[in-house]
Amino acid sequence: SAVISQKPSRDICQRGTSLTIQCQVDSQVTMMFWYRQQPGQSLTLIATANQGSEATYESGFVIDKFPISRPNLTFSTLTVSNMSPEDSSIYLCSVRLTGEKLFFGSGTQLSVL
Amino acid sequence: GDSVTQMEGPVTLSEEAFLTINCTYTATGYPSLFWYVQYPGEGLQLLLKATKADDKGSNKGFEATYRKETTSFHLEKGSVQVSDSAVYFCALIAAGNMLTFGGGTRLMVKP
Repeated sequence: SAVISQKPSRDICQRGTSLTIQCQVDSQVTMMFWYRQQPGQSLTLIATANQGSEATYESGFVIDKFPISRPNLTFSTLTVSNMSPEDSSIYLCSVRLTGEKLFFGSGTQLSVL
Repeated sequence: GDSVTQMEGPVTLSEEAFLTINCTYTATGYPSLFWYVQYPGEGLQLLLKATKADDKGSNKGFEATYRKETTSFHLEKGSVQVSDSAVYFCALIAAGNMLTFGGGTRLMVKP
């Protein structure tokens, strides 16, 4: 199994500022995923973060807006840059170990005023 | 609380076989239901969804019908391909607005 610590759990931010979300896993994983869940919507994959290489972004998401770091096999950060109210969402990191079970961080609820 | 139960895998089929992956749920109110797929080395992708009773979601030959009377949302495909080999997750969003996932079912399709 995996335990994922994600912080902050929630934040209220001003328009134009940036927020960095941290995700710490208690075991080494090759791939970590960052998702966004807008209010009442399903998950949308933002990017895949592999240790030692640049993150791979999904259509509609760009590195300038959502820079990701992956300095080692247990840690990753996602930054939401130059925020606007449309960025208000829950942001989640996730891993899947061998087998089928998904593990998610507890989520970061972001509100942008 | 909300929960999703899906059949355990792995499910191993030959190409062109019929696929069913069972999914049942427990939730308050009227949840929205989803199937996600995760291909090897990739993140979750939304496969299909249904937001109210009797709705049928469909995509890439996959279908699932929202059955409120049986609280089910079984995934079906008439003829699977090797490229369908992946892990499939059933999920719901209910009043709490957070996704609740099933345990995942691995599908292996052999040529």
